[in-house]
Amino acid sequence: GAGVSQTPSNKVTEKGKYVELRCDPISGHTALYWYRQSLGQGPEFLIYFQGTGAADDSGLPNDRFFAVRPEGSVSTLKIQRTERGDSAVYLCASSLTAENNEQFFGPGTRLTVL
Amino acid sequence: DQQVKQNSPSLSVQEGRISILNCDYTNSMFDYFLWYKKYPAEGPTFLISISSIKDKNEDGRFTVFLNKSAKHLSLHIVPSQPGDSAVYFCAALKGGSNYKLTFGKGTLLTVNP
Repeated sequence: GAGVSQTPSNKVTEKGKYVELRCDPISGHTALYWYRQSLGQGPEFLIYFQGTGAADDSGLPNDRFFAVRPEGSVSTLKIQRTERGDSAVYLCASSLTAENNEQFFGPGTRLTVL
Repeated sequence: DQQVKQNSPSLSVQEGRISILNCDYTNSMFDYFLWYKKYPAEGPTFLISISSIKDKNEDGRFTVFLNKSAKHLSLHIVPSQPGDSAVYFCAALKGGSNYKLTFGKGTLLTVNP
């Protein structure tokens, strides 16, 4: 069956630009998560959605980062006024429910800010 | 501060031998631990987990051991196979926030034929 998909797989942008990263979770999964993996680090939690609402956005680094999940399925992570330090792999994961601990990860979007 | 630590960036073993990957944690609120495996250009995939009420969990060639008093866990792979070559991440969950995975930096395992 289809796993978590993320588009684009690679994104190169210039400092100061706006980017959107998309995540398609596994069908039927109500919980969706965004993580960021910087070079040489493990993934770091950004935000968690249960259904359409952001249940926990405590990992978003600042107000340039925002994420939505308007219909409870696809999610978009939006980054305004990108900075070079935003360069990382952005991973999306989904799980059947939040109480189900197995999170299935997508392949990630590699963002490079020049 | 790193709450989940994997102090070995890399490990190399011979095919057929045992691989032991180590992980330490500092937060005593963690009560569930997971190991993920990651190949290049792919997302992490779940491998095996253990609850803090247990000290061992086994699944085929993979066994995870948990020593709560030492805040230490380890993943044993035996026998190791070349297809096991990947980055292995240790991750932890806190009770009451059972969705926010806290990851270590990962250990690159290379299994040589």
